[in-house]
Amino acid sequence: DQQVKQNSPSLSVQEGRISILNCDYTNSMFDYFLWYKKYPAEGPTFLISISSIKDKNEDGRFTVFLNKSAKHLSLHIVPSQPGDSAVYFCAASSSGTYKYIFGTGTRLKVLA
Amino acid sequence: DGGITQSPKYLFRKEGQNVTLSCEQNLNHDAMYWYRQDPGQGLRLIYYSQIVNDFQKGDIAEGYSVSREKKESFPLTVTSAQKNPTAFYLCASSFGGSETQYFGPGTRLLVL
Repeated sequence: DQQVKQNSPSLSVQEGRISILNCDYTNSMFDYFLWYKKYPAEGPTFLISISSIKDKNEDGRFTVFLNKSAKHLSLHIVPSQPGDSAVYFCAASSSGTYKYIFGTGTRLKVLA
Repeated sequence: DGGITQSPKYLFRKEGQNVTLSCEQNLNHDAMYWYRQDPGQGLRLIYYSQIVNDFQKGDIAEGYSVSREKKESFPLTVTSAQKNPTAFYLCASSFGGSETQYFGPGTRLLVL
């Protein structure tokens, strides 16, 4: 049973446009969410987080939106740059637990 | 310069052999984690440790063992009981539960 789903395995976007990466979850107990960026053969790099008390968190070009009723979060990258080309993972956790559940990732390709 | 280090970058295992992957952090984090990544899949939790001398099984602990004798170190042993050990192994750490996890660069394990 996959509790965190990233249904788009890949996404291509033109440089300068917006990239929108989606993530759905099934467990209503999840209340803390993370986005990571990963290059091949490297460890994931933390991008941005959001807790369930918020519906939006912004950090530079990256914004995460959380829709609790739909159990859906999205990562917006504006403007997209070629260096953003990587695999993006979302992860979810419940308060007080140490376990994060990761999605399968979306490969973003930003075209110059 | 704080961070998480993993060694070696590549590791080869012969049939029936146990191998140990190293993970060290100098971030003063209490919690440490081991994940496994297979092609096209998300990260799956093998073991985690909340504090020194304590650790818990994750979702795929069979065939693996860990120790946490020091706060800074969380080595993972892949035993001969792990029948499909070829994967990319990632170590992470955090201040506590539901906190952002920071990852090391990973170790790729291959079976000869």
